[in-house]
Amino acid sequence: EPEVTQTPSHQVTQMGQEVILRCVPISNHLYFYWYRQILGQKVEFLVSFYNNEISEKSEIFDDQFSVERPDGSNFTLKIRSTKLEDSAMYFCASREQGAGTDTQYFGPGTRLTVL
Amino acid sequence: AQSVTQLGSHVSVSEGALVLLRCNYSSSVPPYLFWYVQYPNQGLQLLLKYTSAATLVKGINGFEAEFKKSETSFHLTKPSAHMSDAAEYFCALVGGSQGNLIFGKGTKLSVKP
Repeated sequence: EPEVTQTPSHQVTQMGQEVILRCVPISNHLYFYWYRQILGQKVEFLVSFYNNEISEKSEIFDDQFSVERPDGSNFTLKIRSTKLEDSAMYFCASREQGAGTDTQYFGPGTRLTVL
Repeated sequence: AQSVTQLGSHVSVSEGALVLLRCNYSSSVPPYLFWYVQYPNQGLQLLLKYTSAATLVKGINGFEAEFKKSETSFHLTKPSAHMSDAAEYFCALVGGSQGNLIFGKGTKLSVKP
């Protein structure tokens, strides 16, 4: 069964460093998402991406964040200058083109630890 | 604003007992609602979803949920808990025009032998 994959599973970085989190969505899906979950808190929407551009973003997704689909298969989230409060689990998700009722399929997540 | 509230951050049941995980929502438009399960060190897996068809929705692993508009609820139930049901469960609704999900805080289910 097709699945969303994410690498790395765990990333440790120093404050102020740039990190890139990678995701490979399911191949025929057209909508892509990033969410994050700070330890002990709820899963929060960051950004959605469709047709090679951001289609919606939350207030969390500030200028420090960017997303890219560089080669038609990977979907990346970049944090330019990490802060301590960026430590969280980051989930990628994808879904087929269609109504909002379509299922979003989630990857296993990348745990980002900022020291 | 749309929101999801899950009552009880931790629920503990005995094996074979009824599982009831509560979810209430707030939405100004007819909601599309989902339950996801997260096993340790894994991603979120869809259990079931409500998309305005039948109000009683059956999902995987024997779980079901009933949409009650009058109570703005979408509680998840399973008649008989199994040890393998121990996980964290998230209720979510579609919050944006691009299908992004708004999640509750999650409920961790423990199953005692």
